[in-house]
Amino acid sequence: DAGVIQSPRHEVTEMGQEVTLRCKPISGHDYLFWYRQTMMRGLELLIYFNNNVPIDDSGMPEDRFSAKMPNASFSTLKIQPSEPRDSAVYFCASSSFGSGNTIYFGEGSWLTVV
Amino acid sequence: GQSLEQPSEVTAVEGAIVQINCTYQTSGFYGLSWYQQHDGGAPTFLSYNGLDGLEETGRFSSFLSRSDSYGYLLLQELQMKDSASYFCAVRDRDYGNNRLAFGKGNQVVVIP
Repeated sequence: DAGVIQSPRHEVTEMGQEVTLRCKPISGHDYLFWYRQTMMRGLELLIYFNNNVPIDDSGMPEDRFSAKMPNASFSTLKIQPSEPRDSAVYFCASSSFGSGNTIYFGEGSWLTVV
Repeated sequence: GQSLEQPSEVTAVEGAIVQINCTYQTSGFYGLSWYQQHDGGAPTFLSYNGLDGLEETGRFSSFLSRSDSYGYLLLQELQMKDSASYFCAVRDRDYGNNRLAFGKGNQVVVIP
């Protein structure tokens, strides 16, 4: 299996621009997670989906952030408009119900907003 | 809700033993996991404790005491490749079966 695939791996954008991060979970996994990692705040859960349905989005920082999962093999995290404080590594992860305590992370999208 | 506390950094020599502690507060505890993350990489799963006691996986062991809301990860026979950050993560029943909240992590630096 190819694992969780994220794109882009690195992005530098200007404040105010829209950013779209993409994720392909492991085939057969029914849970998908978006995490954000910074030095100050560590790994924060932003939102997670079960069977393409958002279950808990309480970690989404504000209305500028939105996430979708139109099908079982694709999800996006969008930031509009982006701000310098959004600079972080964004990880997508997936798991199956049977492996409840093991989630598999993608390599992350390194976002820098200048 | 939940909160997790981990100390920040440990330096140790090759061959040594390091213990990384984790204390947690959660309203619906459902298991403690450990993840390893190398610089620039993604977190990867190491071990899980759902019940009290010790789980051993090769050079790594993890322990849980639910009554103390405490767990630790024990790294034995340290190797240079073990230099990484180690995170504990709590599975919280209140937030659904698969919600994992991570601690801030503990960086381990292995020196020759």
